[in-house]
Amino acid sequence: GESVGLHLPTLSVQEGDNSIINCAYSNSASDYFIWYKQESGKGPQFIIDIRSNMDKRQGQRVTVLLNKTVKHLSLQIAATQPGDSAVYFCAETPPSGNTPLVFGKGTRLSVIA
Amino acid sequence: DTGVSQDPRHKITKRGQNVTFRCDPISEHNRLYWYRQTLGQGPEFLTYFQNEAQLEKSRLLSDRFSAERPKGSFSTLEIQRTEQGDSAMYLCASSLSGGDTQYFGPGTRLTVL
Repeated sequence: GESVGLHLPTLSVQEGDNSIINCAYSNSASDYFIWYKQESGKGPQFIIDIRSNMDKRQGQRVTVLLNKTVKHLSLQIAATQPGDSAVYFCAETPPSGNTPLVFGKGTRLSVIA
Repeated sequence: DTGVSQDPRHKITKRGQNVTFRCDPISEHNRLYWYRQTLGQGPEFLTYFQNEAQLEKSRLLSDRFSAERPKGSFSTLEIQRTEQGDSAMYLCASSLSGGDTQYFGPGTRLTVL
């Protein structure tokens, strides 16, 4: 079935270091992927997205990489800050035309000051 | 604030009572989605609307759950005869149209005693 999963449930990084959060997806036909950040007690916050016709997209301090060959998605955060501490979810949109997002379980990022 | 808003933010109710949650999407967004999120999990899709039409409701968890978007603007999610297992965060998201980025509200946290 369609599913999105994450390699690591928790990640701890030192402030100022770069963070890499990984995600595997199972539906090779999915054509749109989004990374969300969720802080405790809040709704998911859009970070960055990428469509399947791209393999890299950059935002402010964040980069998403898409490897369709191995169905792998990653989020890179440069110069990680304490405010980056949160749970990060990747989500995919199956190419069904009706677009509920399929989320994984999330990775908790803890930034050590 | 022009983002997605939800009301109430928290709801505590006794088992067997009915509850209703409201979502106000971003004003120009045609699509409105409801998700449920339990602790440690990613959001789980429930239903969505294109304007006032409910296009997918087979994922609603039981016939105790219903949603409306009568004028194509705000939406309500009702849970009848609540059970303890209904305790969760209920999230609303909106997007301009299908295939576009979904932006989430802050959620309504339901606790059923």
